[in-house]
Amino acid sequence: QKEVEQNSGPLSVPEGAIASLNCTYSDRGSQSFFWYRQYSGKSPELIMSIYSNGDKEDGRFTAQLNKASQYVSLLIRDSQPSDSATYLCGRKDAGNMLTFGGGTRLMVKP
Amino acid sequence: GAVVSQHPSRVICKSGTSVKIECRSLDFQATTMFWYRQFPKKSLMLMATSNEGSKATYEQGVEKDKFLINHASLTLSTLTVTSAHPEDSSFYICSAHSGKQFFGPGTRLTVL
Repeated sequence: QKEVEQNSGPLSVPEGAIASLNCTYSDRGSQSFFWYRQYSGKSPELIMSIYSNGDKEDGRFTAQLNKASQYVSLLIRDSQPSDSATYLCGRKDAGNMLTFGGGTRLMVKP
Repeated sequence: GAVVSQHPSRVICKSGTSVKIECRSLDFQATTMFWYRQFPKKSLMLMATSNEGSKATYEQGVEKDKFLINHASLTLSTLTVTSAHPEDSSFYICSAHSGKQFFGPGTRLTVL
């Protein structure tokens, strides 16, 4: 079992809809999670970090963490074509090393 | 957010040559930097963890003599791909830790 798993997609949503991206992890001791967005040919950029159970909102983005169920999700409200990218879920270990899922490709159609 | 730069952004070289890639944290000090490789349409693969003043820690399957890492200062880590071959062609990305991990813009290496 991979440490961090994501559905590779593509996840296709219409413009203006809510995009829901999910990630599961296997290490119950994991404390810190990150969502990165990566456009084709570019390096990842940090969108959100979340450390506690519950929701964390930043603009159109909401990260959700459920440690009991070992999943973390990212919701994108009012999706725009410019949100089309690959979204990487990362888990940080004690040594500050990130373990990434395979990424989910999101396509927002006008 | 913290800024991480990489140089060069793109390099094309002949098979057998060595290529050095620099990763710099511009506005913060990073005791730890990470080097990743990404093949087309694939996820990031961690190659090694670079620690200032000590030897790098390589992930399983990554040849330390092939990919030389030097973390000479708190703001600079270098990755040298020695005797590069076409199969080393990839997108190499570094990141530096400052509370969170911030990625450099990446270096696209093409070995002919």
